[in-house]
Amino acid sequence: DAKTTQPTSMDCAEGRAANLPCNHSTISGNEYVYWYRQIHSQGPQYIIHGLKNNETNEMASLIITEDRKSSTLILPHATLRDTAVYYCIVRSFTSGTYKYIFGTGTRLKVLA
Amino acid sequence: EPEVTQTPSHQVTQMGQEVILRCVPISNHLYFYWYRQILGQKVEFLVSFYNNEISEKSEIFDDQFSVERPDGSNFTLKIRSTKLEDSAMYFCANRPSSGNTIYFGEGSWLTVV
Repeated sequence: DAKTTQPTSMDCAEGRAANLPCNHSTISGNEYVYWYRQIHSQGPQYIIHGLKNNETNEMASLIITEDRKSSTLILPHATLRDTAVYYCIVRSFTSGTYKYIFGTGTRLKVLA
Repeated sequence: EPEVTQTPSHQVTQMGQEVILRCVPISNHLYFYWYRQILGQKVEFLVSFYNNEISEKSEIFDDQFSVERPDGSNFTLKIRSTKLEDSAMYFCANRPSSGNTIYFGEGSWLTVV
C-alpha cells in the first residue's frame, strides 16, 4: 500500500486559502489520491479525489504534481467550520477490492 | 453527500458481553467497510465485505469479530466477547459497485466497562 506523509498540523487565517500538502512518493500508476476530513469525532467526510489531472469541486481543489508523487488540497476561502483533521489517502487495489488506508492526517486550525 | 446510517450511536457494555453494531447502507451501494477509531488515534481499517463475503481484513479483525448482512440490507459488525481495548468509535462505510468513493456513517461509539 502506498504510504502518505502529511504535516501534523497547520494554521490558516479565516478567509484565506488553506493549502494542505501530501507526499505519496510510492504511488502506483493506477492508484487514486483521495482526501477526507474529520470534524471532531464525526465520520470522515469525502472531499475530493483525483488520478493525475487537477480536480475542483464545490468544496476544494486538488493539485497533483506531474510525477504524481505529491498533491495539495486547496480550500480557497477557509472558514472556522473547516477546522478539522484532513486525511490524504492513496486508494490501492488488493485481493480484489479497493483499500482506503488512513494515515495520521493534518490537523487544520482556521483562526478568526 | 449520500447517507450511511449507523445504530446505536452510543453503547456501553460490560466486558465479555457480545455487541452488534448496525449499518444501513446507501441504496445500491454493495461494498461495505468497517473502520474503528480509538479515542485520539487514527482511523483504522477493519474489514471489507462484498457479495456476502469478506474481501479483506486487517490484523485487528480477529476471531472475536464477524460481519454479515442478516437480512440482505443491513450490515452488522459483531464483537463476540468485548474487551476494554475494544472501546472506540466504529465507522461503517459504503461504496457503489460502479463508483470509486466510499461514504462513511456518523459512527457508533462503543464503551466497554
